[in-house]
Amino acid sequence: GDSVTQMEGPVTLSEEAFLTINCTYTATGYPSLFWYVQYPGEGLQLLLKATKADDKGSNKGFEATYRKETTSFHLEKGSVQVSDSAVYFCASPSGGYNKLIFGAGTRLAVHP
Amino acid sequence: DAGVTQSPTHLIKTRGQQVTLRCSPKSGHDTVSWYQQALGQGPQFIFQYYEEEERQRGNFPDRFSGHQFPNYSSELNVNALLLGDSALYLCASSRLAGGKGTDTQYFGPGTRLTVL
Repeated sequence: GDSVTQMEGPVTLSEEAFLTINCTYTATGYPSLFWYVQYPGEGLQLLLKATKADDKGSNKGFEATYRKETTSFHLEKGSVQVSDSAVYFCASPSGGYNKLIFGAGTRLAVHP
Repeated sequence: DAGVTQSPTHLIKTRGQQVTLRCSPKSGHDTVSWYQQALGQGPQFIFQYYEEEERQRGNFPDRFSGHQFPNYSSELNVNALLLGDSALYLCASSRLAGGKGTDTQYFGPGTRLTVL
């Protein structure tokens, strides 16, 4: 079946460092791709999305580009802040009814 | 505009009991999906409801059942609780678009279920 694979964490960075979290997917049919963020003790918040190849999703300084040729949707941020500390999930729909499949999540810890 | 709401926030049950979790979708949304998130893992799809019917189901036993009401709100029921059912249960709502169902899913804060 379809799957989403993202880099294992935890990722530990100093404030203002550059962030990359890798994500690859297997679903065919040009699915939309999503990044969600989960802060401690909370549900998932949509961070950004891209709906077709070469689209770039962006929000709060985070960016991800839908790369069909490499089936990837890597998350990047140029300068992380302590408040970015959270768990990040890459997700893709699977099948015809918008069932989302998630990666295992990558925990990010940003230190001052 | 209220987002997705879920109740209760936390719940403690014992093995063998039954539980009902509730979800109200975001305004304008007609589709509700339920996910189970075990500690340290990504969410796993349980099922999805649209027009008061279950449209798709993940790999969960029949102990997990659901319902959608005419106002689009939804319930998740779990019977004969097992210790392994302890998890965060997330509800997500979306708006069916053009029959393809690819619209973005927005999540509620979740219900933390602990089974003792």
